[in-house]
Amino acid sequence: SYVLTQPPSVSVAPGQTARITCGGNKIGRQGLHWYQQKPGQAPVLVVYDDYYRPSGIPERFSGSKSGNTATLTIDRVDAGDEADYYCQVWDTGSDPWVFGGGTKLTVL
Amino acid sequence: QVQLVQSGAEVRRPGSSVRISCKTSGYSFNAHDIHWVRQAPGQGLEWVGSFNPYEGVTAYAERFQDRVTMTGDTSTTTVYMDLTSLASEDTAVYFCARLSAYSFDFWGQGTRVTVSS
Repeated sequence: SYVLTQPPSVSVAPGQTARITCGGNKIGRQGLHWYQQKPGQAPVLVVYDDYYRPSGIPERFSGSKSGNTATLTIDRVDAGDEADYYCQVWDTGSDPWVFGGGTKLTVL
Repeated sequence: QVQLVQSGAEVRRPGSSVRISCKTSGYSFNAHDIHWVRQAPGQGLEWVGSFNPYEGVTAYAERFQDRVTMTGDTSTTTVYMDLTSLASEDTAVYFCARLSAYSFDFWGQGTRVTVSS
């Protein structure tokens, strides 16, 4: 089945920019979505269809794609952004709803 | 406002079954598929399956095909997931989520299922 690859962890100092990547060999042809999950909570959609933000999501969160890699960028990171972040796509395989393994963002 | 409210935590013995509910409100029930996603302790998100309330059509991940059933009740706008032949590896938090196009825009709060002898 299709695999999305994320780095296990990313660390950044407060006020800096965090970049979390998601790789897959068909990403260029797929809509890519990002979720934020804080401990003990349900995931929250922060970017959909590559770069759109749902209502209520700060402009500090942005999505982009280049080739087979998608990137979630979080500007001016603060302690409240510390969470696990997951990418997700719909694929044509037998298990079509695919999540990346998740990236733990640590704010130093 | 859109809400998905799930049933409470469950503890089951190996080999038994569990039913989890997801009560939806704040939108047209038939307009969106409901998906189930699980998360084992310390692990990532795993898709389990989906239910289309309008057509009653289901789709299940291959590894759960023979053990999972998803149903819905339009009168109560509630979706159910039944999982049978439980094993310790099924210990996880199970989330329901509303599908919008190709992303999950609203999620339930999660239901913890513990399988232990």
